[in-house]
Amino acid sequence: AQTVTQSQPEMSVQEAETVTLSCTYDTSESDYYLFWYKQPPSRQMILVIRQEAYKQQNATENRFSVNFQKAAKSFSLKISDSQLGDAAMYFCAYRNTGTASKLTFGTGTRLQVTL
Amino acid sequence: SQTIHQWPATLVQPVGSPLSLECTVEGTSNPNLYWYRQAAGRGLQLLFYSVGIGQISSEVPQNLSASRPQDRQFILSSKKLLLSDSGFYLCAWSVPNSGRKNSPLHFGNGTRLTVT
Repeated sequence: AQTVTQSQPEMSVQEAETVTLSCTYDTSESDYYLFWYKQPPSRQMILVIRQEAYKQQNATENRFSVNFQKAAKSFSLKISDSQLGDAAMYFCAYRNTGTASKLTFGTGTRLQVTL
Repeated sequence: SQTIHQWPATLVQPVGSPLSLECTVEGTSNPNLYWYRQAAGRGLQLLFYSVGIGQISSEVPQNLSASRPQDRQFILSSKKLLLSDSGFYLCAWSVPNSGRKNSPLHFGNGTRLTVT
């Protein structure tokens, strides 16, 4: 079974600085998809960014980018120019190519943004 | 556009009472549907998923059950709640046959269940 590990329960970053959240996963598949979700205090799950395993180019979405290292099975999230609104729980998730499209989540990293 | 509705938002139930949480999706046909549970300070655990009407797959043995009586309706139930059923329950949908598509899950706003 696939597993997703987020080894940083909490992280802190100053406003306007850059922070990187770590994620590793375990799979025997060669084709799969990876996602980062944000869960603010409202607890709504918001998609931040996604990455296809067959693409070597790292995905970017405005201030959010990933460092996808397929051989190392690593999928870190970089947040640039951090804003107070970025404070939230961040979950890394893995999905294989099965029809059911089930997501396996990590345990999350709580990000604090300070002034 | 597609929307997902989940209710109620909060629920306090005594141990041994029944449970029914409902989720509906609008704006799409034959979606994949999911129930996740999030315990306090923890990640999301997949409870059930469905790829079609009447098709339910359970991921973990537990005190809960799920049903899909209509294409875009997904219900989470229990006959007798346990204290350990407390948590935050999230319904989600994805496009059908999305195995080889870069399709994310779209989540409802969740239900906070407290069993007393």
